[in-house]
Amino acid sequence: AQSVTQLGSHVSVSEGALVLLRCNYSSSVPPYLFWYVQYPNQGLQLLLKYTSAATLVKGINGFEAEFKKSETSFHLTKPSAHMSDAAEYFCAVSDRRNTPLVFGKGTRLSVIA
Amino acid sequence: NAGVTQTPKFQVLKTGQSMTLQCAQDMNHNSMYWYRQDPGMGLRLIYYSASEGTTDKGEVPNGYNVSRLNKREFSLRLESAAPSQTSVYFCASTLSQLSTYEQYFGPGTRLTVT
Repeated sequence: AQSVTQLGSHVSVSEGALVLLRCNYSSSVPPYLFWYVQYPNQGLQLLLKYTSAATLVKGINGFEAEFKKSETSFHLTKPSAHMSDAAEYFCAVSDRRNTPLVFGKGTRLSVIA
Repeated sequence: NAGVTQTPKFQVLKTGQSMTLQCAQDMNHNSMYWYRQDPGMGLRLIYYSASEGTTDKGEVPNGYNVSRLNKREFSLRLESAAPSQTSVYFCASTLSQLSTYEQYFGPGTRLTVT
């Protein structure tokens, strides 16, 4: 069965600094991978997804993630943090079968002025 | 196009009371989900419906029942609420869980059981 580990339940960065949120996955088959964002008091929305077309995936709001098969990782990055990026971020994996996504436990990102 | 809607937004129950959380989507999606979100636990899948007419247990189904009323609607019922069911509940839907289609989430229902 597939699983997701997000390292760090809380990450704090200064405004303008690099954002790096870590996600490692376990899957017995080539996975599909997703990053979702949840702003306070809202549901989740898709940031980006990896579907095997390209290993570097660009998403909304300047975020991108790189699929590294050798490291079983799909880390999320953004070159320069904005205050509006403060939210909770979830990594999710699909094993391409008719089963639900498996979500990580989430990483809360704080941005300090 | 409202997306995924959930009612109610907030609810307070006493232990032992029952209630049904309603979810509807207007995107003609086949698959629908109920999650609960608790601090430090992330999202945990309660039940899902891969297609109209089918439902399956997720990670934490105990104490809950679901009904896929039709393609649009997927309800979650708490028969006898317990304080451990205090949580934020999210409904989600996707065109199909067979591929890379994203899940769309509702705004959530914040439930407190006293």
